[in-house]
Amino acid sequence: SYVLTQPPSVSVAPGQTARITCGGNNIGSKSVHWYQQKPGQAPVLVVYDDSDRPSGIPERFSGSNSGNTATLTISRVEAGDEADYYCQVWDSSSDHYVFGTGTKVTVL
Amino acid sequence: EVQLVESGGGLVQPGGSLRLSCAASGFTFSSYWMHWVRQAPGKGLVWVSRINSDGSSTSYADSVKGRFTISRDNAKNTLYLQMNSLRAEDTAVYYCASATVTTYAFDIWGQGTMVTVSS
Repeated sequence: SYVLTQPPSVSVAPGQTARITCGGNNIGSKSVHWYQQKPGQAPVLVVYDDSDRPSGIPERFSGSNSGNTATLTISRVEAGDEADYYCQVWDSSSDHYVFGTGTKVTVL
Repeated sequence: EVQLVESGGGLVQPGGSLRLSCAASGFTFSSYWMHWVRQAPGKGLVWVSRINSDGSSTSYADSVKGRFTISRDNAKNTLYLQMNSLRAEDTAVYYCASATVTTYAFDIWGQGTMVTVSS
């Protein structure tokens, strides 16, 4: 089955840039989606199809995808961005949906 | 307001059954694929199952295939998950989610319903 690997944690100072990676075999050939989940809340889609943002998501959230790594970038990080972030793809070979292992973003 | 509201969670003994429901409102439910995603306490997100817009096609994670059944009633704007032969490892918050902005991402989520499998 397809596996997506994320770093367990990322720490960033307010106003700086956080980059969260999502590794998978030839992930650049797939569409990658990213979710933000705060404690006790349901996930929120922040980036879909590698780099598109749903309405209401700040431009500070952006995504890229190439080769074996997809990246979610959060610019000008704010305290409210502290959350768990998950990448996700659809695996066409199995018709299964796969989530990454998740990354906890801490704002220092 | 676009909304998904799950219900039906609770405590069940190993080997028991439970049926979850997810009521949709504020969007054209019958037009979109729907999913169930679960999250064990302190763990990550895990996709469970999906159903296409008219209910003619389904898919399941290997861990639940043969035990869980996803279905929908478009006339009632409701999604279901019938869970049989429950195991301790099925203990989780179960979310329903819809894919409206793009087929393969989940852009609308419910608040979740807790399922605890324990004797």
